Amino acid sequence: KAGVTQTPRYLIKTRGQQVTLSCSPISGHRSVSWYQQTPGQGLQFLFEYFSETQRNKGNFPGRFSGRQFSNSRSEMNVSTLELGDSALYLCASSKEGAGGVETQYFGPGTRLLVL
Amino acid sequence: AQSVTQLDSQVPVFEEAPVELRCNYSSSVSVYLFWYVQYPNQGLQLLLKYLSGSTLVKGINGFEAEFNKSQTSFHLRKPSVHISDTAEYFCAVSPSGGSYIPTFGRGTSLIVHP
Repeated sequence: KAGVTQTPRYLIKTRGQQVTLSCSPISGHRSVSWYQQTPGQGLQFLFEYFSETQRNKGNFPGRFSGRQFSNSRSEMNVSTLELGDSALYLCASSKEGAGGVETQYFGPGTRLLVL
Repeated sequence: AQSVTQLDSQVPVFEEAPVELRCNYSSSVSVYLFWYVQYPNQGLQLLLKYLSGSTLVKGINGFEAEFNKSQTSFHLRKPSVHISDTAEYFCAVSPSGGSYIPTFGRGTSLIVHP
C-alpha cells in the first residue's frame, strides 16, 4: 500500500507570491490534516479536511487555506508569502477522522523556502 | 487552551542504556496524549497514544509511556535504546472527543552513542 505522498518535495518562492502544495493520502483514507514545522514555532496544526469539508482549524491567518477533492487528495494554499512562511509542511491522513482515535500517517513533507 | 512542555531539548545516552523523555501538559479539558518520532528528513510517525483506560501504554519499537493525571505528565521510556533510535521525539495533546486539534511540544532530540 502506497504511503502519503506530497508534492513538490522542495520549493523556493519569493515574498508576495502564492504557493500550492499537494497531498495524496493513503488509499481509503478520507481525513487529511496539514501541519507547519519551523525551528522557531515548532510543529503547529493548520487544518483538517474530511469528506471535502474543513472540520478543524488551527490558529493561522486567512492567507493559509486548503481544500479537499472527492478522491480525498488535498491541496494547501498560502497567499502573499512572507519570510516566516519558510517551513516544512507536513500532511497526514487517517481513515475516518483524526479525532485522536484514528492513527495518522504522515508524508515526508514539502520544504518551502521564501526569499 | 492547552500547552505541552518537553523538559529536555536534548538527551544523550549510550546504546543499550535505558532512557526517559519527559513530557508535561496543561489543559482545562480532558485530553488524548501522543508521542511521535521524526527521523531526519522524514515526516512524523506515531509511537503510541493514550485515549483512555490503562495508564501504561505500549507502543512500537519497544517504547512505552505512562499517563499520570495528578502530575499531568506523559513520560516516554525505553529500557534499552539502539543507535537507530536517534531521532527527534514530540509529545502532543489534543482535546478528547470530537475535535482533533493537537498541540505539540518543542521536541526532544534523542542522541544514542555507541
